[in-house]
Amino acid sequence: EAQVTQNPRYLITVTGKKLTVTCSQNMNHEYMSWYRQDPGLGLRQIYYSMNVEVTDKGDVPEGYKVSRKEKRNFPLILESPSPNQTSLYFCASSFVLGQGAHYGYTFGSGTRLTVV
Amino acid sequence: ILNVEQSPQSLHVQEGDSTNFTCSFPSSNFYALHWYRWETAKSPEALFVMTLNGDEKKKGRISATLNTKEGYSYLYIKGSQPEDSATYLCAFMNDYKLSFGAGTTVTVRA
Repeated sequence: EAQVTQNPRYLITVTGKKLTVTCSQNMNHEYMSWYRQDPGLGLRQIYYSMNVEVTDKGDVPEGYKVSRKEKRNFPLILESPSPNQTSLYFCASSFVLGQGAHYGYTFGSGTRLTVV
Repeated sequence: ILNVEQSPQSLHVQEGDSTNFTCSFPSSNFYALHWYRWETAKSPEALFVMTLNGDEKKKGRISATLNTKEGYSYLYIKGSQPEDSATYLCAFMNDYKLSFGAGTTVTVRA
């Protein structure tokens, strides 16, 4: 089944304790991206990757790191989580068409992170 | 951050009625406009990707139109059913970044 798999689904952690949220897709998509969703703000892009070893900042990258060492995986790393990073996180992937357009994104199931 | 606005924020529809709502986006540097359907406790699912001015897309009872010159798109639901209850997100593609609106939450009353 074609899918984007995120783990964990739920995570409660303490301020400052490094964590990684994993994302893996089995569709050979070039493009992968991380979003956070907060009430009233909609989905905001954290980082994206056009292909292996190519990553770039989205609109809210502060406090996050990513890597793209393999095409299928795009982990999100919080080196020192803070309470303002409590949010619902989504990973998404897609094929890239020409001239910047994409097919529709396939989203993972989401990770609800609470930082206390 | 690109300004993608959706209105209304929420709406209630009687079963069987039709409805529509709006997404407005910057009219410059347009690459594509996406629509997603997001049901509670699930992930957003792609409905349409629209790239050309005047595009019209249809999927069952749901359809969308696109005006890139004036920067808006409409989503229409014909003969609403309870299973259409969801949040509908639009997203503007520009320079490989997809910026989402806050969504229109549709509740269909039986």
